[in-house]
Amino acid sequence: DSGVTQTPKHLITATGQRVTLRCSPRSGDLSVYWYQQSLDQGLQFLIQYYNGEERAKGNILERFSAQQFPDLHSELNLSSLELGDSALYFCASSARTGWSNEQFFGPGTRLTVL
Amino acid sequence: AQKITQTQPGMFVQEKEAVTLDCTYDTSDQSYGLFWYKQPSSGEMIFLIYQGSYDEQNATEGRYSLNFQKARKSANLVISASQLGDSAMYFCAMREPLTNNAGNMLTFGGGTRLMVKP
Repeated sequence: DSGVTQTPKHLITATGQRVTLRCSPRSGDLSVYWYQQSLDQGLQFLIQYYNGEERAKGNILERFSAQQFPDLHSELNLSSLELGDSALYFCASSARTGWSNEQFFGPGTRLTVL
Repeated sequence: AQKITQTQPGMFVQEKEAVTLDCTYDTSDQSYGLFWYKQPSSGEMIFLIYQGSYDEQNATEGRYSLNFQKARKSANLVISASQLGDSAMYFCAMREPLTNNAGNMLTFGGGTRLMVKP
């Protein structure tokens, strides 16, 4: 158990819908990262927050947005869903932004768009 | 351009034997970090081992060791005394510091599926 929690574990929805994925980092970790794992794209970095502020952005679509709240939990919002958004979405956390700090991953949310 | 390359999509190893999973990377930075993660069939990502670009010694964590060859830009994972529970996907990842050290995302390779035979 990494200490990172994600809810829900599974999500099935229809095209055009909007969903919210939730992540609670390990106790004391200030950085939260979101990754998408799909069969065709592999594991891709989406976005990072540090202590409530956006720090880095990767291949995140404009239909997707995220935020980190004062209690440090984070939410990833996916809207106007398409079939290709079906993937495993991971949240990870680390203690600081230092590049030597390992990231601990949550169990993931498996999103299926029908 | 692909920054992390794992050339072995799948590998078999006999239980109790050692196995090496290959990883090569591409970066122009002098400061970077290399990570290996394990993903069992259940889906979670488990951190295994870390190597910093300035570390002179190869990293070791229990049965895992990292064969770091900086000049060749390779960071191979060695698993000694393989166990059935080692059957999983293994991902190599790199972290490069952004210019203002604002972010620390990981770039992952395509992964290697390791299957341990009894």
